[in-house]
Amino acid sequence: DAKTTQPPSMDCAEGRAANLPCNHSTISGNEYVYWYRQIHSQGPQYIIHGLKNNETNEMASLIITEDRKSSTLILPHATLRDTAVYYCIVRAINSGNTPLVFGKGTRLSVIA
Amino acid sequence: EAGVVQSPRYKIIEKKQPVAFWCNPISGHNTLYWYRQNLGQGPELLIRYENEEAVDDSQLPKDRFSAERLKGVDSTLKIQPAELGDSAVYLCASSLTGVVTEAFFGQGTRLTVV
Repeated sequence: DAKTTQPPSMDCAEGRAANLPCNHSTISGNEYVYWYRQIHSQGPQYIIHGLKNNETNEMASLIITEDRKSSTLILPHATLRDTAVYYCIVRAINSGNTPLVFGKGTRLSVIA
Repeated sequence: EAGVVQSPRYKIIEKKQPVAFWCNPISGHNTLYWYRQNLGQGPELLIRYENEEAVDDSQLPKDRFSAERLKGVDSTLKIQPAELGDSAVYLCASSLTGVVTEAFFGQGTRLTVV
């Protein structure tokens, strides 16, 4: 079962920042937070991941609370092409390639 | 660089018929995953390969599903016979072997069983 809780849907105005929350209150010390998104009729796409520090790349920023029990994915300037389902996933880093366990995610609708 | 390639993109079959899906992972990726995604749900793992060895197939319904990864590269997922409840998107993903890696997904095969 997924170890994260996300709102089922969110709306965001085009050009504004989209802030997607995720609760992972039972996260263990050896688990990363990963974010993927899935645009309609495509496979999931990796966005970003982090352990405890905030992370930023060309796609998004990831803010993890100090207690690591929740995080927020930030798309700084949302466009219509960012409309997708966003999945927050916790994944152990103990050894090997532990598979991604997906929940239902958050359906983000970017509105013009 | 080519991504994960899956075929066919769409497949419609009658129940009780067999069906096969093919996946070509990214070159050099040792780990290969097959996921199934039902409408409105997130993907669910069916099987994971490390090279040619299936290391996690606990979620694969073995009475009708089978998979193989010959030579540790391409993989095939088969259903025989298909049931109405098998209608879903079947996704293949691959990644490098390592502790912290990202998985790359193909576009999936949408199966409709009628």
